[in-house]
Amino acid sequence: EADIYQTPRYLVIGTGKKITLECSQTMGHDKMYWYQQDPGMELHLIHYSYGVNSTEKGDLSSESTVSRIRTEHFPLTLESARPSHTSQYLCASKGWSDRESSGANVLTFGAGSRLTVL
Amino acid sequence: TQLLEQSPQFLSIQEGENLTVYCNSSSVFSSLQWYRQEPGEGPVLLVTVVTGGEVKKLKRLTFQFGDARKDSSLHITAAQPGDTGLYLCAGVALGSSASKIIFGSGTRLSIRP
Repeated sequence: EADIYQTPRYLVIGTGKKITLECSQTMGHDKMYWYQQDPGMELHLIHYSYGVNSTEKGDLSSESTVSRIRTEHFPLTLESARPSHTSQYLCASKGWSDRESSGANVLTFGAGSRLTVL
Repeated sequence: TQLLEQSPQFLSIQEGENLTVYCNSSSVFSSLQWYRQEPGEGPVLLVTVVTGGEVKKLKRLTFQFGDARKDSSLHITAAQPGDTGLYLCAGVALGSSASKIIFGSGTRLSIRP
């Protein structure tokens, strides 16, 4: 019963095209994240946001940009896609988990957007 | 710089065997989370450990947080094919932004029937 949605799930495009990966969450979470992950490999933080009009770069340098105009929406844009951008992009939001008695903030992930740039 | 190192990177064992996955760091973490990710999906939270020395059990999975809060382990008893997946530890290092959650390098687990 995912409450965070990513579109498109799969995208194959040519070099030089502009793309936007959409991410929306219905949980009212302030903090949102974008991670980049090659198949079966670790997640690298590329962008995060504390809330509306707040964006920060993560540890992995990325040519992508993000915006946070509304709490529920955190899109990622590549102005000119290249083959080196081929990867899976995972969006997540951070809030309290009902399952966790510790009350620690946990991440809820979308299903991901797999991007292939030819 | 990889703050969270996981070992082993890959593990393939027979159904019914036991295994342990490790997550180590030179940094202190306020808490650590363990996630499991299946192909084509996002990671799903398994557990959070907060207190140094804490042990949490989730059916056949046992999670432990090191006394110094720099490391954690995941032990699976009598592994089953349904345990197959990528296991990731994650957390926020003390002194870094409270929003900057980083992930470990991951352990890919395969359980053979």
